[in-house]
Amino acid sequence: DAEITQSPRHKITETGRQVTLACHQTWNHNNMFWYRQDLGHGLRLIHYSYGVQDTNKGEVSDGYSVSRSNTEDLPLTLESAASSQTSVYFCASKGDTGEQYFGPGTRLTVT
Amino acid sequence: AQSVTQLGSHVSVSEGALVLLRCNYSSSVPPYLFWYVQYPNQGLQLLLKYTSAATLVKGINDFEAEFKKSETSFHLTKPSAHMSDAAEYFCAVSENSGNTPLVFGKGTRLSVIA
Repeated sequence: DAEITQSPRHKITETGRQVTLACHQTWNHNNMFWYRQDLGHGLRLIHYSYGVQDTNKGEVSDGYSVSRSNTEDLPLTLESAASSQTSVYFCASKGDTGEQYFGPGTRLTVT
Repeated sequence: AQSVTQLGSHVSVSEGALVLLRCNYSSSVPPYLFWYVQYPNQGLQLLLKYTSAATLVKGINDFEAEFKKSETSFHLTKPSAHMSDAAEYFCAVSENSGNTPLVFGKGTRLSVIA
């Protein structure tokens, strides 16, 4: 069955370090998204991609970057981790039917 | 710009009672609307979606939602709550079925009391 996976599932890092969260989907979807989930804010869009070599900024993109070198993967990089980036991060992909399929999430703690 | 408002960050119902979770949307074009459920420490699962076909949409686990254009609403209901329905529920809107990212509401946490 097609799926979307994220790794690591849990990560603790220190302020100022660079961190990369992986997202891999086997749906063969062109559209992929990164959200962060925080209490009281729901899910907020960080970055998204409509295909290979395409990236776009979302609502809360400052301090984050993505790259898309193939259809299956959209890694999210925190250039210099800050405590405000402690959150749960969800990757999603979207096909032609409109709904988004979500990964299990990565819980990131920045100390 | 699109937006979603979920009324009530926390709803509590008794087991067997009606579940009603409210969602109002704002969209400049005919919307696609979704309800997702999130169980503790898990990702989001699609409950149901509205894509301009029937206004009453049936989803999994006996949930349903009705699209009311005049009220810009897409409320989620279930006739009889089960303990297993306790979770976080998110309403989301998209402009179309294509690329556009979903815009989510802030979520409603449903508690079911025995």
